[in-house]
Amino acid sequence: DAKTTQPTSMDCAEGRAANLPCNHSTISGNEYVYWYRQIHSQGPQYIIHGLKNNETNEMASLIITEDRKSSTLILPHATLRDTAVYYCIVRDLTGTASKLTFGTGTRLQVTL
Amino acid sequence: NAGVTQTPKFQVLKTGQSMTLQCAQDMNHEYMSWYRQDPGMGLRLIHYSVGAGITDQGEVPNGYNVSRSTTEDFPLRLLSAAPSQTSVYFCASSYSITSGFLSSNNNEQFFGPGTRLTVL
Repeated sequence: DAKTTQPTSMDCAEGRAANLPCNHSTISGNEYVYWYRQIHSQGPQYIIHGLKNNETNEMASLIITEDRKSSTLILPHATLRDTAVYYCIVRDLTGTASKLTFGTGTRLQVTL
Repeated sequence: NAGVTQTPKFQVLKTGQSMTLQCAQDMNHEYMSWYRQDPGMGLRLIHYSVGAGITDQGEVPNGYNVSRSTTEDFPLRLLSAAPSQTSVYFCASSYSITSGFLSSNNNEQFFGPGTRLTVL
């Protein structure tokens, strides 16, 4: 699976949009971009994923650049409960396993 | 559904002791896996299974054994605990690519609440 690069930490004011970038310049054509988050001491939680089109669900939006070498996770109205470590993962679903390869992620701190 | 459950939540062992971390899921997922997370680090894959009777090694398998006798359960065994195995252990499950049910829309992995293990 391709490697990803994320900023170590970010701050965001409550109520504002949080934009979390991810670089995955070596992504291959059949690899998806997944985002998970981990709130302190809990197991990771799935947020969203996409292949090449932008995606939106009840939690967030995912913007993938046309060349697919980077993406941005957008939390449109961040709350204190969104404070967590956010992991960007690229993975190939054509293999026989569903392995996730975690990096160190971005620690998002939402403040009042 | 209870989702993914793990027991115990906390455990303290002495070096050389053995123990089994339990993981169970009630979602009929074929794929199950074990990760460890050290302070300030991301999760690292220990072992995984794509179905009952099938297991394979992940990134950091040494010192750990697994078995998968049923779809629901995937226990992780530490045969002789070492201080380097002090960590938080997470179990996860999802549909498997080989199941025929998997698509890009349902490969979400569900994680358990974790087991915090300290080896003295």
